[in-house]
Amino acid sequence: EAGVVQSPRYKIIEKKQPVAFWCNPISGHNTLYWYLQNLGQGPELLIRYENEEAVDDSQLPKDRFSAERLKGVDSTLKIQPAELGDSAVYLCASSEDGSSYEQYFGPGTRLTVT
Amino acid sequence: AQSVTQLDSHVSVSEGTPVLLRCNYSSSYSPSLFWYVQHPNKGLQLLLKYTSAATLVKGINGFEAEFKKSETSFHLTKPSAHMSDAAEYFCVVSDPGTASKLTFGTGTRLQVTL
Repeated sequence: EAGVVQSPRYKIIEKKQPVAFWCNPISGHNTLYWYLQNLGQGPELLIRYENEEAVDDSQLPKDRFSAERLKGVDSTLKIQPAELGDSAVYLCASSEDGSSYEQYFGPGTRLTVT
Repeated sequence: AQSVTQLDSHVSVSEGTPVLLRCNYSSSYSPSLFWYVQHPNKGLQLLLKYTSAATLVKGINGFEAEFKKSETSFHLTKPSAHMSDAAEYFCVVSDPGTASKLTFGTGTRLQVTL
């Protein structure tokens, strides 16, 4: 069974540029999560989707961050414009549904903003 | 609000010796607690979970954890460390209202030496 797929794995951009991350969850998983992991910290939830609906986006900085999961399968997280402080690892995870404790994580995208 | 505190940011053990990674929790409710492991360049993986059943929980790769309500602790242990155990370990608590909403600790980096 394929795991959670994320691309790109690494991205270096200059500040004020846009950037997008893509995630394909495990087949059949209805719930998808985007997390932000700063260096030396644990992951922090940015947004949670149940199918195509964003049910928890309270931690998403909506002035520059956006996300979509149009068909309830894969998802894209965008930052526009990027700031130096956005340098971090962006993790995607999925679970069977919102009542499931076990989340399956992708390897993450490491973003460096210069 | 639920939270977890990992008492050590870095632990170093010799191969073949016991491992102890400490975690204290804070919760107004009976918590659900987890340990996740993150190997370099790999996704986070669930090691074990406590969901109000047996207080001693066994996980993968020989790890186990004991829920102690009187001490508000959920320490992770392994009798004998292996080189492949070197990784980052996260103690995690879930929201009582939404099982899939996880709050991660800051992590403990386990180093295993020969």
